[in-house]
Amino acid sequence: GDSVTQMEGPVTLSEEAFLTINCTYTATGYPSLFWYVQYPGEGLQLLLKATKADDKGSNKGFEATYRKETTSFHLEKGSVQVSDSAVYFCALSEWYSGGGADGLTFGKGTHLIIQP
Amino acid sequence: DGGITQSPKYLFRKEGQNVTLSCEQNLNHDAMYWYRQDPGQGLRLIYYSQIVNDFQKGDIAEGYSVSREKKESFPLTVTSAQKNPTAFYLCATAGLTRGGDEQFFGPGTRLTVL
Repeated sequence: GDSVTQMEGPVTLSEEAFLTINCTYTATGYPSLFWYVQYPGEGLQLLLKATKADDKGSNKGFEATYRKETTSFHLEKGSVQVSDSAVYFCALSEWYSGGGADGLTFGKGTHLIIQP
Repeated sequence: DGGITQSPKYLFRKEGQNVTLSCEQNLNHDAMYWYRQDPGQGLRLIYYSQIVNDFQKGDIAEGYSVSREKKESFPLTVTSAQKNPTAFYLCATAGLTRGGDEQFFGPGTRLTVL
């Protein structure tokens, strides 16, 4: 079955540091890949996505590139802020030839803490 | 406002009682999903529905039931058969077009069984 593995936290960085959160996946088909962010007590918000190999998703200074050869989708940001403190989830979705997709498969989440 | 509504935000129940969590959407999305979130476990799929009057079990459906009588609504019932129901429950929707299969999440309901 499908699976997503991401680095476990907490990850603690100083403000303006460079961020990388690793994510690798196993899938039977050709999945879409996502990064979601969750702030305390809230639901998940889509941060960025990529639907095919070599696509780069980007949003709010965050980037991730769909690497089919290494089955990876690492999240990066050049200069983090205190407001980036949250839990980040990597996820994939398989699309079926008959149309439609079932639920997302999530990694366990990475808790990011940015210190001023 | 367009979006997904989950109510209530916090829910307390006694052990052995069934409880129903509400999820309503006005995004006109075909698919709706229920996930359970436990600390350090990520999100796990309970049930999903891609069309009215049809739904499928996810990875952890035991002890839960759902219905999809309207496109806008997908309530989840946590039954007394669920052995450890205390968790954060998230409802999500998706439009189900290729390249647009990202899911949109509601604010969640935190269920505590006493």
